[in-house]
Amino acid sequence: GDSVTQTEGLVTVTEGLPVKLNCTYQTTYLTIAFFWYVQYLNEAPQVLLRSSTDNKRTEHQGFHATLHKSSSSFHLQKSSAQLSDSALYYCALSASNTNTGKLTFGDGTVLTVKP
Amino acid sequence: NSKVIQTPRYLVKGQGQKAKMRCIPEKGHPVVFWYQQNKNNEFKFLINFQNQEVLQQIDMTEKRFSAECPSNSPCSLEIQSSEAGDSALYLCASSLWGDTQYFGPGTRLLVL
Repeated sequence: GDSVTQTEGLVTVTEGLPVKLNCTYQTTYLTIAFFWYVQYLNEAPQVLLRSSTDNKRTEHQGFHATLHKSSSSFHLQKSSAQLSDSALYYCALSASNTNTGKLTFGDGTVLTVKP
Repeated sequence: NSKVIQTPRYLVKGQGQKAKMRCIPEKGHPVVFWYQQNKNNEFKFLINFQNQEVLQQIDMTEKRFSAECPSNSPCSLEIQSSEAGDSALYLCASSLWGDTQYFGPGTRLLVL
């Protein structure tokens, strides 16, 4: 089956410094889309980024990610972390031959931005 | 912002009791998903629908869990006989065909 790996369970960064959250995946399907979701405490996951195009940078709210099929990665980056970025971040994969398939989530990375 | 509505927000049941939760997908979204997020924040897919038809479901869902998405009514997920291990946040999401899934706030189930 599909799998998504987020290597860091917890990332702490100082405000204003860059941050990178790692995400790699395994899938046998050809039709795939990738997402980064952010979940604040006691709230629903919200989509942050979406991509299905190889080697194309996707940006939203200061975050960016590039899907690299050659390395099976979709890392999330931000050049200057803000206190309000502190949250739980999930990388997720939707891979299905019908294109209406379930999301496979990584285990999540807790990002803490400190002053 | 997501417009998926889930009720109730909190549900407390005793072991063996039925637990039922509802979801109104975002208007115009024909695909509905149910996920379980456990205390370790791990997601587990349960079932999804395209309009009223089941697309995929996991084995666990076939035994004690039942779900439906009737026409012109909220979708629902019901656990026939709750167990302590069912305590979790149940998230409903909806989407257009093969597109981004938008999540509701979830129903937090506690089985005592």
